[in-house]
Amino acid sequence: DTGVSQNPRHKITKRGQNVTFRCDPISEHNRLYWYRQTLGQGPEFLTYFQNEAQLEKSRLLSDRFSAERPKGSFSTLEIQRTEQGDSAMYLCASSLAFRGKSGELFFGEGSRLTVL
Amino acid sequence: AQKVTQAQTEISVVEKEDVTLDCVYETRDTTYYLFWYKQPPSGELVFLIRRNSFDEQNEISGRYSWNFQKSTSSFNFTITASQVVDSAVYFCALSGGYSGGGADGLTFGKGTHLIIQP
Repeated sequence: DTGVSQNPRHKITKRGQNVTFRCDPISEHNRLYWYRQTLGQGPEFLTYFQNEAQLEKSRLLSDRFSAERPKGSFSTLEIQRTEQGDSAMYLCASSLAFRGKSGELFFGEGSRLTVL
Repeated sequence: AQKVTQAQTEISVVEKEDVTLDCVYETRDTTYYLFWYKQPPSGELVFLIRRNSFDEQNEISGRYSWNFQKSTSSFNFTITASQVVDSAVYFCALSGGYSGGGADGLTFGKGTHLIIQP
């Protein structure tokens, strides 16, 4: 299967710990996005990369959140000093960059974070 | 600021009935894009359609059809002859400007949970 892959699928952690999620996009896609989804809500945009450049990060929820895409392939989302309010599903998506496909995102199954 | 409202939290119909999911949006952009995504119980969001603000032509794809009306800022989605496999949460989304969902991301509504009963 060559879809978007996210790991781990589930993460349970204690408040104050750091967590990292990994996303492997579809190989030919040069855009990669992170979204957060809480129960009963639609996905909320966090950040986006085109190749290895992080072109939008102002929507990251706080300075505890950071994302990288070091070689323009996989990406990581790190949350430092987790809080209970960080409990959510973290979604990764990828897409092609050209205008005719803009917004046509391919999502992974998500990484569910539970902060105790 | 952009906003998408899906007033119907949950809809339940019997199989083979037609059902319409409402979507109302707000934006100050003159160029924007509208989308529908499906989130089945497995959880993975699936792209259904993209429509740009200059194209008000309705679209039909099999049992699915979309009605875009700029005058009422609505982009409604109709499923004809619904099937149990259509059961899912459906999200309407909006992106502004020329990025088409790139730099500014997509603004999603809260979703409508559609239940198709056999």
